[in-house]
This record gives sequence, C-alpha cells and structure tokens, in this order.
Amino acid sequence: QSVLTQPPSVSGAPGQRVTISCTGSTSNIGAGYDVHWYQQFPGTAPKFLMYGNGNRPSGVPDRFSGSKSGTSASLAITGLQAEDEADYYCQSYDGSLSGVIFGGGTKLTVL
Amino acid sequence: QVQLQESGPGLVKPSQTLSLTCSVSGASISSGGYYWSWIRQHPGTGLEWIGYIYYAGSTYYNSSLKSRITISVDTSKNQFFLKLNSVTAADTAVYYCARGYSTSPAAGMDVWGQGTTVTVSS
Repeated sequence: QSVLTQPPSVSGAPGQRVTISCTGSTSNIGAGYDVHWYQQFPGTAPKFLMYGNGNRPSGVPDRFSGSKSGTSASLAITGLQAEDEADYYCQSYDGSLSGVIFGGGTKLTVL
Repeated sequence: QVQLQESGPGLVKPSQTLSLTCSVSGASISSGGYYWSWIRQHPGTGLEWIGYIYYAGSTYYNSSLKSRITISVDTSKNQFFLKLNSVTAADTAVYYCARGYSTSPAAGMDVWGQGTTVTVSS
C-alpha cells in the first residue's frame, strides 16, 4: 500500500479536462515537501512530467498543470488527447520515513 | 544529453545477490549537484524507491529493503551500482536507475534509464 494515494483510474473524452489527485499526510506533502509527477507508457520508463508541485520541464505541453494544497496535490490535463493515455505517478518525500515515496499510480483512459 | 543505462543479469537464482550497474553519459557523477537513485517496478504495479547515493558516497535506503541493499559509486567509471542480497521471487521487477535533479532528497528524478528486467527463479 502506497504512502501517497491516487485513484486507480480516471477517464475523459478527447478535449475534456481531467484531474488526478495525490493524497498524502502531514509527514510528506503536508510537511511542505514538493510533489513531482511522472507519465509512463506501457513497456517504457517513467517520464518526468512535473516538478516542484507545478513546474513543467522543457517540452511538456502547457495542457499539463500541477498544484498542491495542504496534504494533497493534483495533476490537471486540459484538452485531453489520445496520446495522453498512460499511467501517471506522483512522488514526494516523507520526513518520517526519511525516504522517497510514490503514489500507486493512476491509469488515464481517453474515451 | 544526459543518458543512463542499466546493465546486469536478467536472471538471478533465489538466495543469491542481484547486481546491477548504471552507466551515466553526458554528465559527470563527480561534478555533484545531483543524487543518483534506484527504483523498481514489480510486474503490473507501481514504482518503489530502493535508494540513492551522492557522488561522495553517502547513501540513503528504503527502510523496508535496507538490510539487503548496498548502493555504491565509481566516479572514475561514471557508474553507480546496486546490490540486493538474498533475493526471492518477490524481487522480480524492472529496475530503473535515475538522476535526482538536485541534491535535495525531496527533488524529483529528471532522467531515467530504460530499465532492466530482473527475474528471480531457479
């Protein structure tokens, strides 16, 4: 069971907006540690998608945005495209565990 | 650009030691400024952080694996390594190496290797 909780799956039609939540606790997200997001296609390595809660690495479309509030964070994807269909993982740091933690992952299906 | 490449045996027998190498190109581990991490992904499941190392050799491990892990670095070869002792079938996974984008343990990992599949079986 992951320290960070994500919905197992979300879905949306092309052009729609979807959000993926990442819920932690006062020892990780709530303690002020940054949240980062990764996108993973089947059979490939995770791709760095978002860092520091809401910053996009070079090359990531601005359809992707991130935010953090309290003990939770979220990833939003607007103008959903078929190519966005993938697994998405959030990541942070836990001060009590003294280690890196991941969410369980969310499978995004584009209808 | 920076690239990471994992290498090592794809098949390890139960109770033996899993040994993997991550070769870094396009950046020097000894230049500092980053951490170097191992992550694994069991079949059909999510990501599990194993541990990381800084260029000077200090290491931080997942507490659930700590008793069986050793992560080391060879800056002269621009490589870092993972050893996992006493493996069982539960250690069957895809193993990734990755770079943390700063020295903060809370930083994300911006460059990943392609991953290497390790199966534990007799």
